Amino acid sequence: QQQVKQSPQSLIVQKGGISIINCAYENTAFDYFPWYQQFPGKGPALLIAIRPDVSEKKEGRFTISFNKSAKQFSLHIMDSQPGDSATYFCAAKKRNNDMRFGAGTRLTVKP
Amino acid sequence: KAGVTQTPRYLIKTRGQQVTLSCSPISGHRSVSWYQQTPGQGLQFLFEYFSETQRNKGNFPGRFSGRQFSNSRSEMNVSTLELGDSALYLCASSLVGQSTDGYTFGSGTRLTVV
Repeated sequence: QQQVKQSPQSLIVQKGGISIINCAYENTAFDYFPWYQQFPGKGPALLIAIRPDVSEKKEGRFTISFNKSAKQFSLHIMDSQPGDSATYFCAAKKRNNDMRFGAGTRLTVKP
Repeated sequence: KAGVTQTPRYLIKTRGQQVTLSCSPISGHRSVSWYQQTPGQGLQFLFEYFSETQRNKGNFPGRFSGRQFSNSRSEMNVSTLELGDSALYLCASSLVGQSTDGYTFGSGTRLTVV
């Protein structure tokens, strides 16, 4: 049972465009929402994270938007670059460190 | 600062055999979590260990087990291997296991069951 639902499964964006990945969860015990980036042959790496008491967090070209009432959060990548081509995972973590992942989005940024 | 080390990187086993995978966390990290990654299922949570105790467990059969040692190193074991166990097994460590701790992942062990 997927506790975190992620869409789309794959995404193709032109260089300079905006990439948007969406996630939704049901369990209100989740209280920390990180995003991970994974390149082929590597483990996922933490990209950016947000607590539910904040509606938006921005780090460079990466922004998380969080809607607590709708139990949804999304990752926006501004000015997408070919080097951003990777698989992105949203995740939701409980206070006891139990973390569950979305199914992943394969992002391709075309030059 | 050394990252999370997983050994071996690649493994080929035959159906019915058992396998043990190893994970050395970042020095000072006390929490280790294990995930199974497959193309169709994404990252599926196996279990999490903190201070040598299993604290969280995912929905995997009892053939999947793990343990953590006093130095925080962890091992996971899969018995009676099935073809469907072929996957990338990832471990991740975090400092003290609080929800806001970032996870650092290793590069994984690629297990192929033939």
